[in-house]
Amino acid sequence: RKEVEQDPGPFNVPEGATVAFNCTYSNSASQSFFWYRQDCRKEPKLLMSVYSSGNEDGRFTAQLNRASQYISLLIRDSKLSDSATYLCVVNKIGAGSYQLTFGKGTKLSVIP
Amino acid sequence: EPEVTQTPSHQVTQMGQEVILRCVPISNHLYFYWYRQILGQKVEFLVSFYNNEISEKSEIFDDQFSVERPDGSNFTLKIRSTKLEDSAMYFCASTKRQGSEQYFGPGTRLTVT
Repeated sequence: RKEVEQDPGPFNVPEGATVAFNCTYSNSASQSFFWYRQDCRKEPKLLMSVYSSGNEDGRFTAQLNRASQYISLLIRDSKLSDSATYLCVVNKIGAGSYQLTFGKGTKLSVIP
Repeated sequence: EPEVTQTPSHQVTQMGQEVILRCVPISNHLYFYWYRQILGQKVEFLVSFYNNEISEKSEIFDDQFSVERPDGSNFTLKIRSTKLEDSAMYFCASTKRQGSEQYFGPGTRLTVT
């Protein structure tokens, strides 16, 4: 099983739509979770951290289900500028491990 | 807003040559990282660095790779003898504390010919 698994998409949605991305991770020792976005040939940019209680930042809502090892991202009222690849990222802490483990990403295209 | 910076933005080198990629992490960050991304693939961890020593490295980070923090601001990645398969984007990242959000630089595109 891949460490972090995401549906690669692409998701093609009209402006104003709501879109949801899902991600599963294999390492139950993972303790920090993030969504990053990456534009073509650019660096990953932090979108939001993901907490067990769920968290919201404007149009973006992230949820974590530790029991199912599942993370989600919901984007409401999609904008053209949301077009990017969304990376699910986990961080295993402990035993001297600090690294981020990335999924391959889910590509989103928001269409006018 | 403080940012991670990287130079050069693009480096072209011949196979077998040495390259040094440079990064300036965010000034009050303590943990530093290198990642790479081969075109069309996922971002992969290379190495983490804390308190002037390597904390962790991946299988990719073999004897051809080394990292250094030569002064209080720069963080470098050296590849001693580049191979064609080293062609990738190399991202530097930094964070204040273990497990928290990592902030990435714009990357150096390395092309080995």
